[in-house]
Amino acid sequence: DSGVTQTPKHLITATGQRVTLRCSPRSGDLSVYWYQQSLDQGLQFLIQYYNGEERAKGNILERFSAQQFPDLHSELNLSSLELGDSALYFCASSVGVAGGFTDTQYFGPGTRLTVL
Amino acid sequence: EDQVTQSPEALRLQEGESSSLNCSYTVSGLRGLFWYRQDPGKGPEFLFTLYSAGEEKEKERLKATLTKKESFLHITAPKPEDSATYLCAVPQAGTALIFGKGTTLSVSS
Repeated sequence: DSGVTQTPKHLITATGQRVTLRCSPRSGDLSVYWYQQSLDQGLQFLIQYYNGEERAKGNILERFSAQQFPDLHSELNLSSLELGDSALYFCASSVGVAGGFTDTQYFGPGTRLTVL
Repeated sequence: EDQVTQSPEALRLQEGESSSLNCSYTVSGLRGLFWYRQDPGKGPEFLFTLYSAGEEKEKERLKATLTKKESFLHITAPKPEDSATYLCAVPQAGTALIFGKGTTLSVSS
């Protein structure tokens, strides 16, 4: 158990709908990352938040957005869903200490999104 | 462009048959190299972090090594429970990780 929690575990919805995925980081971690994993693309970085502020953006679609709340949990909002958005969505967290090296990211169990 | 390439894509071993997985990377200014294990439908589980060439880390039957251009994950006398996909990742421009496609290891008894 990494200490990172994600809800829900599974989500089935229809095209055009909007969903919210939730993540609680490990105790003490200030950074939260969101990744998407599909069969053909592998694990792809979407976005990072550090202590409530957006820190880095990857290949995140404009239909997707995220935020990190004062209690440090994070939500990923996916809207106008398409069939191709079906994937595993992972949240990871790290201490987020600035410095010359990158600290270790610990992953949650993921949310499996199926768009029908 | 920063890249991570893992080989082989798939590896089938007999129990006790040692082997190595490769991860080659192109990134300017390496800030760490990370190995994860992923079981089907689960989140990646952290294994090792390596920060400088020549560094080695061990955990049970696994040993990770790092050179200036690649990393190896050596598996000694594997057991069926070692079957999983092993992922290698490096940070890009800060902290976001770039992952390789992974090596899927199957160990049969």
